[in-house]
Amino acid sequence: QKEVEQDPGPLSVPEGAIVSLNCTYSNSAFQYFMWYRQYSRKGPELLMYTYSSGNKEDGRFTAQVDKSSKYISLFIRDSQPSDSATYLCAMSVEGTSGTYKYIFGTGTRLKVLA
Amino acid sequence: NAGVMQNPRHLVRRRGQEARLRCSPMKGHSHVYWYRQLPEEGLKFMVYLQKENIIDESGMPKERFSAEFPKEGPSILRIQQVVRGDSAAYFCASSVDRGATRNTIYFGEGSWLTVV
Repeated sequence: QKEVEQDPGPLSVPEGAIVSLNCTYSNSAFQYFMWYRQYSRKGPELLMYTYSSGNKEDGRFTAQVDKSSKYISLFIRDSQPSDSATYLCAMSVEGTSGTYKYIFGTGTRLKVLA
Repeated sequence: NAGVMQNPRHLVRRRGQEARLRCSPMKGHSHVYWYRQLPEEGLKFMVYLQKENIIDESGMPKERFSAEFPKEGPSILRIQQVVRGDSAAYFCASSVDRGATRNTIYFGEGSWLTVV
C-alpha cells in the first residue's frame, strides 16, 4: 500500500464549478500537509500548507485535513481555465535532528473548460 | 528572483555520457532535496542534503547516481553513464533550517534530461 494515495484523474469541470481534490494516507505520523500546483513543464508551486485538522482558506482555495480519517482535501471555488494543472498533495513528518521527510501523491490532473 | 534556481533547464545526453544537474537553493535555505518525475508519474524522492552532508539517500539508485552539496556553490546531482531510462524531469527543492516554514519545501523549475 502506498503511503499517500491520490486519484490521478483527469478531472474535467466547467468554468465556475467547485472542484474537490482528495488524498488519503496511511502513516498516522504525518504532521504537515501541503498542496502544490504544477503546470506542464514547470516546477510544483506551493499553494496551501496546513498542520492541524480543520479548514484553512486562502482566496478561492480551501484546504481541509481530517487526521482521524487520514484524509485531506483541496477545494477550488469558482474554478477558472487558468486553474488547469496537476495538483499534488504532500505530507511531511519530522525525522531525527529536526529533518523532515516529504511524501507526494501522484497528482490529479485538472482541466477547467471555458 | 530569489527562488530555487536549477540549471540547465534542458539537457540532452547520449547513452553512456554523464549528466550534471545543478541547484542553488533559495536564499537562507540550507536544506536541499532532489526528486525525479517520470512522465505521468508523481515525484519520487531521491536524496536530501545539507551543506557537506548527505542526510537521506534512500531514494537514490545504488549505481551511477551521486549528489553533493558543498560548502560553497550549488548542489550537484550527477548521473554517470546515462541510459534511456534516466530520461525524466529532475526537481530540486529547498527549505529553511528553522522557523515557521521549516517544514515546507519550495521547488525549482526543474531540469529535463533526455537521453538519446
